[in-house]
Amino acid sequence: DAGITQSPRYKITETGRQVTLMCHQTWSHSYMFWYRQDLGHGLRLIYYSAAADITDKGEVPDGYVVSRSKTENFPLTLESATRSQTSVYFCASSIGETNTEAFFGQGTRLTVV
Amino acid sequence: GENVEQHPSTLSVQEGDSAVIKCTYSDSASNYFPWYKQELGKGPQLIIDIRSNVGEKKDQRIAVTLNKTAKHFSLHITETQPEDSAVYFCAASLTNTGNQFYFGTGTSLTVIP
Repeated sequence: DAGITQSPRYKITETGRQVTLMCHQTWSHSYMFWYRQDLGHGLRLIYYSAAADITDKGEVPDGYVVSRSKTENFPLTLESATRSQTSVYFCASSIGETNTEAFFGQGTRLTVV
Repeated sequence: GENVEQHPSTLSVQEGDSAVIKCTYSDSASNYFPWYKQELGKGPQLIIDIRSNVGEKKDQRIAVTLNKTAKHFSLHITETQPEDSAVYFCAASLTNTGNQFYFGTGTSLTVIP
């Protein structure tokens, strides 16, 4: 039972480069989410998806792009990485009914130099 | 949008003592309040949740209380153990917002043996 997995776990990239963080879940959950975690800010929602081919912005979407062609995958792309995007990124999924538990991946620590 | 505030940011207790973490929210429409525990290097994991039609919920040493009038909710951990040391996040969710959660900034709990 793999659950929800993120890759890579750690990534260092240069300013201006494009980088994609991967997220894969094996539960067929309808909803998937991307959060970033920064000290003093907790977890902030970047984008979420209610189903394949349906995505919507969260609190802090600028500079990020998502896609969801398959239910199980929800990649997050930083089109032109900036230092302010240095953070720990968490992917999560939930069954899809309102107010149900979100299951989080292990996180990706991204450093933009 | 919803604003969730969490206090304290750090908390140290002696093993066996109780720990209390408090959160307030701004949107009276919020109706689901989960608490997540995050251990070092891992993603957050749900430990307990409460819905707006309930005032208190217990699960062994953990309890959550909700005061809808005052718009605050609290996590109570009794008989703390060293393995309770972690970062705890409260969150609030609004119905019909795509299962989005708004998180507090986290409380780092240290249980001293």
